[in-house]
Amino acid sequence: SYELTQPPSVSVSPGQTARITCSGDALPKKYAYWYQQKSGQAPVLVIYEDSKRPSGIPERFSGSSSGTMATLTISGAQVEDEADYYCYSTDSSGNHSGVFGGGTKLTVL
Amino acid sequence: EVQLVQSGAEVKKPGESLKISCKGSGYSFTSYWIGWVRQMPGKGLEWMGIIYPGDSDTRYSPSFQGQVTISADKSISTAYLQWSSLKASDTAMYYCARWPGDYWGQGTLVTVSS
Repeated sequence: SYELTQPPSVSVSPGQTARITCSGDALPKKYAYWYQQKSGQAPVLVIYEDSKRPSGIPERFSGSSSGTMATLTISGAQVEDEADYYCYSTDSSGNHSGVFGGGTKLTVL
Repeated sequence: EVQLVQSGAEVKKPGESLKISCKGSGYSFTSYWIGWVRQMPGKGLEWMGIIYPGDSDTRYSPSFQGQVTISADKSISTAYLQWSSLKASDTAMYYCARWPGDYWGQGTLVTVSS
């Protein structure tokens, strides 16, 4: 079955740039989406269709995709950005079968 | 205001059946896919499947095909996730979301224990 691969953890100091990657064979053809989940809360969409930011999401969150890798970038990470981040995409079968990456724990300290 | 309100927490025994719900409001329920996501204790998000309430077109993750049933009643703007025979391993938080996830429900905690 289709898989998306993320690093288990990323750590940065406040104000630094955090980059979280997501690799998958179908990403050249399928959009990536990124969700932030803080402890005990429902996920929040922070990037959709590779690089679009929903209203209300701070400008420091950006997304890009090249080849088989999508990247979530948090420019000037803040302590409140500490959370788990998940990428999501679909396989290339045409059945719209979705999959999440394993998640990345972002530590900002 | 778009809202997805899920049914309350459930405690069930292995072998029992269960149907949890997700009621949408504030938007055209029949025009957006609704997805279901599982999160086991301390684990990551797992995509279970989606349904388009307008015509009940449903897609399942291969991991969940045959294990659960996703349905919707567009007359009351409600989507459902159901099990015919629960297992202890179904213990998890279940989220619905307007797909691809711009709005989420608050989650329904399902506990299966003898």
